[in-house]
Amino acid sequence: AQKVTQAQTEISVVEKEDVTLDCVYETRDTTYYLFWYKQPPSGELVFLIRRNSFDEQNEISGRYSWNFQKSTSSFNFTITASQVVDSAVYFCALRNTGFQKLVFGTGTRLLVSP
Amino acid sequence: SAVISQKPSRDICQRGTSLTIQCQVDSQVTMMFWYRQQPGQSLTLIATANQGSEATYESGFVIDKFPISRPNLTFSTLTVSNMSPEDSSIYLCSVVLTSGMNEQFFGPGTRLTVL
Repeated sequence: AQKVTQAQTEISVVEKEDVTLDCVYETRDTTYYLFWYKQPPSGELVFLIRRNSFDEQNEISGRYSWNFQKSTSSFNFTITASQVVDSAVYFCALRNTGFQKLVFGTGTRLLVSP
Repeated sequence: SAVISQKPSRDICQRGTSLTIQCQVDSQVTMMFWYRQQPGQSLTLIATANQGSEATYESGFVIDKFPISRPNLTFSTLTVSNMSPEDSSIYLCSVVLTSGMNEQFFGPGTRLTVL
């Protein structure tokens, strides 16, 4: 069975602080995909990144970076110099290559105050 | 990416009635899904919408309650039948594009309130 755990329910930071959102996953598959999505207060789900299981390179996109470690089954997300607009719920998700079913974690609510 | 539209964006319905939600994508897709997000919760897969055939439902979801159609590659509907207040949720359409790198995108969602 597949499972995604986001242990941090809510994180509060002050603007310009760096913040890391944790994601731990479980799967028996050797090939799979990991995702991060952002859900701002407006409700839409914004795609941030997809990572293949065979690509362990870390990725940086502006203030966002992702650390994928197969050895610990983790796919953590760091926001550098956080901004108020980063306030949202962030979901980590896992999908295998067979059934294409996306399994979500419970989400981490990030509050960035000025 | 793709432009995914959902109609209606929100609705308030009476108990016992039904609502049909439409999802339209402007690109060719390989897979279409329907998710539910109950208030303050994560997303749960309802079913995979299969083109021209019956949808594949997840455990806990049945066709009589959530009939789904997908007449072509880019359009699908989800009906929430015989609604009760427990059906109040955001319903989201999701797609995997034919082109692209297996990214999965979501529509803007339909916010349903059942009184």
